[in-house]
Amino acid sequence: GDSVTQMEGPVTLSEEACLTINCTYTATGYPSLFWYVQYPGEGLQLLLKATKADDKGSNKGFEATYRKETTSFHLEKGSVQVSDSAVYFCALSDRSGYSTLTFGKGTMLLVSP
Amino acid sequence: GAGVSQSPSNKVTEKGKDVELRCDPISGHTALYWYRQSLGQGLEFLIYFQGNSAPDKSGLPSDRFSAERTGGSVSTLTIQRTQQEDSAVYLCASSFEGSYEQYFGPGTRLTVT
Repeated sequence: GDSVTQMEGPVTLSEEACLTINCTYTATGYPSLFWYVQYPGEGLQLLLKATKADDKGSNKGFEATYRKETTSFHLEKGSVQVSDSAVYFCALSDRSGYSTLTFGKGTMLLVSP
Repeated sequence: GAGVSQSPSNKVTEKGKDVELRCDPISGHTALYWYRQSLGQGLEFLIYFQGNSAPDKSGLPSDRFSAERTGGSVSTLTIQRTQQEDSAVYLCASSFEGSYEQYFGPGTRLTVT
């Protein structure tokens, strides 16, 4: 079945550092890929998405590129802020007519001033 | 507009009791999903509704779990004879049919003592 593997956290960074959170996936078809974010005490929010190979999703300074050849969708940001501290989930949805999400286990990001 | 709402936000119950968790999706969203977020397992899909029918129940962990949806809107997840391993945060999400973008509620934290 489908699966998503992402790096374990926590990832601890200083403000303005560069961020990369690795995500790789296994799927039988051509899934859509997502990053969701969960801020402390809040629900899951969609951060960005990409629906086909070589698409780049971007939002709030975060980017991720759908790499079919490496089955990856790494999350990157050039300069993190304290307010980016959250848990980040990589997820995929296969094209089966509806969009059940398969999630990675989540990566906690802690940014210090 | 109003987002996905869930109630109760917290529920503590004794082992062996039944519990009902409620989800109010965004108005007009015909697709509704239940997920479970637990420490050991991450985020797991439970069940998908298309209107009032549930074409995918593959994630329900046992026959103690059931869900229904009425009027194409509110959904109730019922857990009978709760066990300690049922302790988790239960998340509901909704979307327009065919859309990859799911909107999540804040979740219900269930603790079975």
